[in-house]
Amino acid sequence: AQSVTQPDIHITVSEGASLELRCNYSYGATPYLFWYVQSPGQGLQLLLKYFSGDTLVQGIKGFEAEFKRSQSSFNLRKPSVHWSDAAEYFCAVDSGGSNYKLTFGKGTLLTVNP
Amino acid sequence: NAGVTQTPKFQVLKTGQSMTLQCAQDMNHNSMYWYRQDPGMGLRLIYYSASEGTTDKGEVPNGYNVSRLNKREFSLRLESAAPSQTSVYFCASNPTGGSNEKLFFGSGTQLSVL
Repeated sequence: AQSVTQPDIHITVSEGASLELRCNYSYGATPYLFWYVQSPGQGLQLLLKYFSGDTLVQGIKGFEAEFKRSQSSFNLRKPSVHWSDAAEYFCAVDSGGSNYKLTFGKGTLLTVNP
Repeated sequence: NAGVTQTPKFQVLKTGQSMTLQCAQDMNHNSMYWYRQDPGMGLRLIYYSASEGTTDKGEVPNGYNVSRLNKREFSLRLESAAPSQTSVYFCASNPTGGSNEKLFFGSGTQLSVL
């Protein structure tokens, strides 16, 4: 069965610093991979997704993620964090069937210090 | 453009009471989903509806029932609420349920069962 691990429960960075959120997945073949963001009191919003092709994908709000098959990872990065990026971030994996097979990680809470 | 609308936003129930969470989308999507979000657990799929007239169990269906009333509406019912059902509930939709489609989320219903 597929699974997703987000090793960091809570990360704190200073505004303007770079950010990397880790995500590791377990699945035999190449999965579909997603990063969602949840602002306080809101539903989730898609940041970016990977299906195939270029392993570096660009998303909204200046985020990018890199798929590394050898490490079973799909880490999210941003070069310079803004205070408005404070939120909870979820990595998700889909085994390639339908969206009802989407498995979410437990999330990483990002705090941004001024 | 309302997207996915959930009602109510907050609800407090006593153990054994019943209630229905409402969800409606105005994007003409075929697939709809109900998730619950618990601290440190990420999102878990309760039920989904791949298309109008069909519903299927997700990862944690026990204690819930659903109705896909029409293409727009997908309700979640708790027949006899239990404290273990205290959670934040999210409704989501996407066009056809395909793996390459993002999910559109409502803003959630915070439910407390005393």
